[in-house]
Amino acid sequence: DAMVIQNPRYQVTQFGKPVTLSCSQTLNHNVMYWYQQKSSQAPKLLFHYYDKDFNNEADTPDNFQSRRPNTSFCFLDIRSPGLGDAAMYLCATSRAGSLEKLFFGSGTQLSVL
Amino acid sequence: GQQVMQIPQYQHVQEGEDFTTYCNSSTTLSNIQWYKQRPGGHPVFLIQLVKSGEVKKQKRLTFQFGEAKKNSSLHITATQTTDVGTYFCAGCGGSNYKLTFGKGTLLTVNP
Repeated sequence: DAMVIQNPRYQVTQFGKPVTLSCSQTLNHNVMYWYQQKSSQAPKLLFHYYDKDFNNEADTPDNFQSRRPNTSFCFLDIRSPGLGDAAMYLCATSRAGSLEKLFFGSGTQLSVL
Repeated sequence: GQQVMQIPQYQHVQEGEDFTTYCNSSTTLSNIQWYKQRPGGHPVFLIQLVKSGEVKKQKRLTFQFGEAKKNSSLHITATQTTDVGTYFCAGCGGSNYKLTFGKGTLLTVNP
């Protein structure tokens, strides 16, 4: 089945140690998103790609970077994780267009020790 | 920037009771989407509303979009334990690719 796949499901890193989360999709969607979701809160958009065009949210910290080497893959790099970056990171995809729904991956739960 | 407010934050009901969550935007929306997130899971798309005053039904779920396209509601009739989860509304305003999520309503159902 076509889907959005995130690995790993759980990731533990140390304070200040760079970490990369990965997302892949078999839906061939133009748009890929990274959301941060903390416990009992709404998903917060960090950035999104429309094809190779990168769009950063104004309040996304510089500590967060992203790469999309091809249509299928997208990576979230956290350069120096702090305790406040512990959260669920959700990757989502959609077709291009204003009326398209989001398809979410299962998420990566990041812990920072 | 665009803000989407959702109430209540929590709702606990007895199985068989009805449930409603409300969503309000600070700006006019082009469309609104609803997602359900089970505990420990990821958001799953339920429905999209586009037209002013639109009403859509999915079995026991009824979704409404306000006339001014600034508010929406989700009503569940006769809740079941399978309805447990957090229901998010997400509105699309200016950008074609950006949805702003409400804070969600966590529904728990007592069997």
